[in-house]
Amino acid sequence: DTGVSQNPRHKITKRGQNVTFRCDPISEHNRLYWYRQTLGQGPEFLTYFQNEAQLEKSRLLSDRFSAERPKGSFSTLEIQRTEQGDSAMYLCASSRETGPMDTEAFFGQGTRLTVV
Amino acid sequence: GENVEQHPSTLSVQEGDSAVIKCTYSDSASNYFPWYKQELGKRPQLIIDIRSNVGEKKDQRIAVTLNKTAKHFSLHITETQPEDSAVYFCAASPESGYALNFGKGTSLLVTP
Repeated sequence: DTGVSQNPRHKITKRGQNVTFRCDPISEHNRLYWYRQTLGQGPEFLTYFQNEAQLEKSRLLSDRFSAERPKGSFSTLEIQRTEQGDSAMYLCASSRETGPMDTEAFFGQGTRLTVV
Repeated sequence: GENVEQHPSTLSVQEGDSAVIKCTYSDSASNYFPWYKQELGKRPQLIIDIRSNVGEKKDQRIAVTLNKTAKHFSLHITETQPEDSAVYFCAASPESGYALNFGKGTSLLVTP
């Protein structure tokens, strides 16, 4: 198990284009999270899945953002009609529910998006 | 929603000195408080966490203290080493397994 894997590592896109990122969590981790991090800031929560169910979405997640986790394994985050303000590092994390407490949340390396 | 404030934003110490980073939170329902270390260009990695049923936790040179009444928690690093240089983030959530609310980070520089 090599940890949380995110692809691509870097993405440069023109304003107005759609982009999709993929996250493969640690196997057997049933919880998956997406965060966004801009330079000099802490990660900001975007959305969270337990298995295939999307349980929570941040107000930061505009209508242009959509996330899926169709089979409770990998997840995709799509941004439609990208704007320059979407430029950021998109981080995925996963954890495993173990009775009353989860394991720690393990982060992937992130996908750095640049919108030009 | 939860608001996590972190201070200082930058901290420079000499090797061997101690470093202290402080965080406050607003939601009294928060019960889980992890600390993450992020080196330049790398992923955040958990270094220590504490739950509300304890007031202090230590792991070698790292300790975290929690004051639930005052809604603040702190990270203490003793005998700092140059490899401790990184950005440190505190976070809070109602329970582990829920979304984390992060502070803005503290950039720690340990000079030899």
